Amino acid sequence: QKEVEQNSGPLSVPEGAIASLNCTYSDRGSQSFFWYRQYSGKSPELIMFIYSNGDKEDGRFTAQLNKASQYVSLLIRDSQPSDSATYLCAVRGGGFKTIFGAGTRLFVKA
Amino acid sequence: AAGVIQSPRHLIKEKRETATLKCYPIPRHDTVYWYQQGPGQDPQFLISFYEKMQSDKGSIPDRFSAQQFSDYHSELNMSSLELGDSALYFCASSSLAFKDRVQETQYFGPGTRLLVL
Repeated sequence: QKEVEQNSGPLSVPEGAIASLNCTYSDRGSQSFFWYRQYSGKSPELIMFIYSNGDKEDGRFTAQLNKASQYVSLLIRDSQPSDSATYLCAVRGGGFKTIFGAGTRLFVKA
Repeated sequence: AAGVIQSPRHLIKEKRETATLKCYPIPRHDTVYWYQQGPGQDPQFLISFYEKMQSDKGSIPDRFSAQQFSDYHSELNMSSLELGDSALYFCASSSLAFKDRVQETQYFGPGTRLLVL
């Protein structure tokens, strides 16, 4: 079992819809959780980070964390074609090592 | 705003050669991370440095070594290159100053694309 699991997709949603991306992790000691967006051949770009249970909203993005279920999600409201990318979930424990999931490919259809 | 700088951006080497990748973190960032990302793969953590000392180690082969210098830039040295080393190598930087460790976030550079022939 991978330490950070994501559905590889592709996830296809129409423009204007809500895209829901999910991630589970195995290390109960994990403390920090990140969502990165990566376009093909480009570097990961930080979208959100969360470290407390509950929801955190930033513009069209909402991250949700449930440590009891070892689950973190990202909601993208009013999805745009420019949101089409691979979304990487990353998890860090108490140290410096950050583990990435394999990423979910999102396609937003115009 | 200044970002993480990596050089070179592209590098072609032959098997058994040596390569050196450089990373210049965002000004006043004290922590550097190196990642390897193969085609269609997630970034794999290699190694990190905090205040010029190695802070954590991941799946870095013994053929690779890295260090962080007094000006906080970092170099990843790769020897006896193999075909499987062909990948994108990302450097990321962060700052722990005045932050709760839990809230530290990494900012990625553009990457160095290494091709081993």
